Amino acid sequence: LAKTTQPISMDSYEGQEVNITCSHNNIATNDYITWYQQFPSQGPRFIIQGYKTKVTNEVASLFIPADRKSSTLSLPRVSLSDTAVYYCLLRSSNDYKLSFGAGTTVTVRA
Amino acid sequence: EPEVTQTPSHQVTQMGQEVILRCVPISNHLYFYWYRQILGQKVEFLVSFYNNEISEKSEIFDDQFSVERPDGSNFTLKIRSTKLEDSAMYFCASSGGQGRTQETQYFGPGTRLLVL
Repeated sequence: LAKTTQPISMDSYEGQEVNITCSHNNIATNDYITWYQQFPSQGPRFIIQGYKTKVTNEVASLFIPADRKSSTLSLPRVSLSDTAVYYCLLRSSNDYKLSFGAGTTVTVRA
Repeated sequence: EPEVTQTPSHQVTQMGQEVILRCVPISNHLYFYWYRQILGQKVEFLVSFYNNEISEKSEIFDDQFSVERPDGSNFTLKIRSTKLEDSAMYFCASSGGQGRTQETQYFGPGTRLLVL
């Protein structure tokens, strides 16, 4: 399985930027890194995906360095409704298995 | 917007009983997945299914688990003889065509299974 490391939790305030890093030393060469958001008692929901460098969509940005051993999800100007668990999903280069990171609980306060 | 649906939303069963969890993936998707999430833990991959056969499975997906696409719309996960540790939320997901991680997986709302 991919060895991923994410911070367990992060606290923020409304309007701030939140950056969550997922470290993944053994990512499969040709596969993408995907980030999901999960609210309590719901299925994960796609946020953003990338392979290298920077990707931006209407809700987030994703920064991936050239060595691809980590990725950073950036949530600009968070609101209370962004309180959720955020997971990276990728495939290991060792066994080519899909695995989610342990998840980062982001709590946004007013 | 099309979505993945799952039934039942909750199921309680006795240890040793068989359960079947049902999913209706998004209609034009070709890859189907099952994941589980034990309470308070991360989402864990179980199995992926493509072209009427398992394309990938994890160590968790042992002989007590099976998957099937009995018709053109349903995708099921069967647990033959449930154990207490099978208690979890089970998520179904589907993706468009190639099954690689660059494809967005769309998740259903989950089935909460409680084994007593």
